Amino acid sequence: QSVLTQPPSVSGAPGQRVAISCTGSSSNIGADYDVHWYQQLPGTAPKLLIYGNTNRPSGVPDRFSGSKSGTAASLVITGLQAEDEADYYCQSYDSRRSENVFGTGTTVTVL
Amino acid sequence: QVQLQESGPGLVKPSQTLSLTCTVSGGSISSGSYYWSWIRQHPGKGLEWIGYIYSIGTTYYSPSLKSRITISMDTSKNHFSLNLNSVTAADTAVYYCARGKPYSGNYYFDHWGQGTLGTVSS
Repeated sequence: QSVLTQPPSVSGAPGQRVAISCTGSSSNIGADYDVHWYQQLPGTAPKLLIYGNTNRPSGVPDRFSGSKSGTAASLVITGLQAEDEADYYCQSYDSRRSENVFGTGTTVTVL
Repeated sequence: QVQLQESGPGLVKPSQTLSLTCTVSGGSISSGSYYWSWIRQHPGKGLEWIGYIYSIGTTYYSPSLKSRITISMDTSKNHFSLNLNSVTAADTAVYYCARGKPYSGNYYFDHWGQGTLGTVSS
């Protein structure tokens, strides 16, 4: 199973703010490895959303933001929109497993 | 713009080898410093990193799968391939290829293929 834990689901009304946590340990996020985030719309491949904890690739709306502190990271969506309904995954490196790992994934529902 | 496209037989029998290819367009797989990777997603589940081949041909595999995996590249065809042997039903998944871009001692996946379903069934 994954060493990065995310809540299975979060929801919010259009325009609201939602936050997704990614909780790790001293062998991954807590060891100062960077966290990256992906958005997976239904039936499609994942898409890079945030890299290096806080950076947005070109074309990603600024309502998506990332942060990292200690052994956890967060993805925040402000001004939630219907098109944000998707699964979201965090990714980092784990030194104990010696491999890249993904979080358990979070489904965002827009009410 | 770099694009990746997976291909390969969708159905494999148990104990056989699942062979997939990822064809890259818009850039050479042997130039730059990229980690050409395979990632899979079991039905209704999360993402699992399988392994990569670096631009110069170095490979690294997930410790949990490395006894059954080979990743290779063919620079003349600008593609890289995954062979997963001794498959069981537990290997049924959507297989993605992706480009890993180096960042601060690790890498993130900035380009993905659309994915291909690999089904293991007799």
